[in-house]
Formats: sequence, structure tokens, C-alpha cells
Amino acid sequence: SAVISQKPSRDICQRGTSLTIQCQVDSQVTMMFWYRQQPGQSLTLIATANQGSEATYESGFVIDKFPISRPNLTFSTLTVSNMSPEDSSIYLCSVEEAGPGNTIYFGEGSWLTVV
Amino acid sequence: GESVGLHLPTLSVQEGDNSIINCAYSNSASDYFIWYKQESGKGPQFIIDIRSNMDKRQGQRVTVLLNKTVKHLSLQIAATQPGDSAVYFCAENIEGNQFYFGTGTSLTVIP
Repeated sequence: SAVISQKPSRDICQRGTSLTIQCQVDSQVTMMFWYRQQPGQSLTLIATANQGSEATYESGFVIDKFPISRPNLTFSTLTVSNMSPEDSSIYLCSVEEAGPGNTIYFGEGSWLTVV
Repeated sequence: GESVGLHLPTLSVQEGDNSIINCAYSNSASDYFIWYKQESGKGPQFIIDIRSNMDKRQGQRVTVLLNKTVKHLSLQIAATQPGDSAVYFCAENIEGNQFYFGTGTSLTVIP
């Protein structure tokens, strides 16, 4: 499967600031996604990062809070804007790989703590 | 809406025993399922998948069973090892790229 690298892996952020998370894949992929995993909980899809166009956001997530870029088929960024303690989560980049199923694979995640 | 849930939030097993982790899903249209393992401090790792036209699929020490009649999915781990300790998630693909994840089961292997 593709190797997915995320930066930063961990960060402690001040309330009210914004942080951009980078996701780099070692091969071209059509579909890239961003998930959030709040402490002790499961994964929730934030948005699909579309190459060359605006991301597609899931219910409850908006572009102003989570702007996403996807300049090419190997890279995407997720910004968490105007952070509050409730944004403390793991943010996971994932990609879909071609195959019999729409299998998605994950990076190691970016663990953000907002203080 | 759809829901994917796990029957047991925690599971403890003796090293060497077999583990069974269960998952219920509610949408009969779901046609593809994946099990993930998430170790502490890491992202979810793909374990095994199964399509709805199958009822069983085996991997290395793992088997996934799918019962579409009762909309139930299980992950069986043979000869459980300490390295199997993790949180396990089932994910349900309804259409396209939409996956819904269960709440997770924490597996602890007792040496």
C-alpha cells in the first residue's frame, strides 16, 4: 500500500491559533480524505480532498473551520482554524487505493492538543 | 442514519487463546467491510476486508465472517499474541468512498 506521511505528528497549540497539517503520499492517488478521531472515540470523516477543486465536506464540518488544499495527486493539507480545546483530536489523512474494494489506508495521524 | 457498532467495548484474552471481536451494522445495502487495528499512538492499520458476496475470508491468523442475514461482522484472531493488543474498528462502506466506522473494541492480551 501507499506510504502516507503526516506532519506534524504531534503538536500543542494555543487557543485561537490555526495549524496546518500536511499529508504526503509516495504515489499518485485519486482520492484523499481527512478524518478526525476525538479522544477515545472512533473516526469521523471531515472531508474529501479533491484535486484542483474545493473539498467536499461532511455534515458538521465547514470550510472556514477546516480549509483543505489538494494541489496535486500526492499532497494535501488540512488547516484547523481558530482552535479551541474541543479541537484536540487526532487528524488522519487517508487515501483510497485501487483494487477489488474501495480500500482506504491511513497515515499515522497528527495528534493535536489545544490548550 | 446508518450505524456501525461493536457489541463489546473491551475484551481481555489470554495469550495463545483465540479472540473474537464483533460488529453490527444496520444498512443492508452495505457491500464492503474493513477491519482496522489501531495501536496506541498510531494510525489505523488495515487488517482484512470482505465484500458482501462472501461470508468468510481468511488472512494470516485472522478470519472475518460476514452474516448478512443478521447484519453482523466478526473478526477472529487465532493464537492471540501480546502484539495484538490494540483497538479494533470495523468500517462499513455503503457507496462510493463513504465509510462509517464502529466505536471500537479494545483488545488486551494477558501474557
